[in-house]
Amino acid sequence: AQTVTQSQPEMSVQEAETVTLSCTYDTSESNYYLFWYKQPPSRQMILVIRQEAYKQQNATENRFSVNFQKAAKSFSLKISDSQLGDTAMYFCAFTGGSNYKLTFGKGTLLTVNP
Amino acid sequence: SAVISQKPSRDICQRGTSLTIQCQVDSQVTMMFWYRQQPGQSLTLIATANQGSEATYESGFVIDKFPISRPNLTFSTLTVSNMSPEDSSIYLCSHLMNTEAFFGQGTRLTVV
Repeated sequence: AQTVTQSQPEMSVQEAETVTLSCTYDTSESNYYLFWYKQPPSRQMILVIRQEAYKQQNATENRFSVNFQKAAKSFSLKISDSQLGDTAMYFCAFTGGSNYKLTFGKGTLLTVNP
Repeated sequence: SAVISQKPSRDICQRGTSLTIQCQVDSQVTMMFWYRQQPGQSLTLIATANQGSEATYESGFVIDKFPISRPNLTFSTLTVSNMSPEDSSIYLCSHLMNTEAFFGQGTRLTVV
């Protein structure tokens, strides 16, 4: 069974600064995908970034980037130039194998302070 | 990506009653999923809904409590039956496209 662990229940950062959210996972699958989702107070789940396990290059989307360490089964999210609109719950998620089911971590509540 | 419209966005229900949540996708998708998010918690998969076959339920969830319909490739419903206060949660539907999941807006259910 796959597990996803987010060890930081809450974090805060000052506007314009950089913050890193941690995620580790455990799986026996060789082919899998990792995701970071953002859930603001509106409840809408929004995909922030995804990483294919077979790709060595870390994914980047504008201010968001990941540090994917496959051997260590680590998948952290770095947010640069934090903005007030980044305030949300962030979930790390995993899918692997043929069933495409998502397994979520418990989430990290990020607050960006002005 | 295919856009999902989920409704109702919220409801307050009496215990012992049932609520049906609907999700409409604006294009055909093979797999749809239903998740529960209890207050302050992460998302837990309830079941996978495939068109033309019965839904596949995860451990701890049963069809009698959470019946699911998937009459075509653009629509699915989840019913929360015989509700109790413990069913108060956010319920979300999602679909899969190119291994990427897209979600509806969620239904906030409060059972009193």
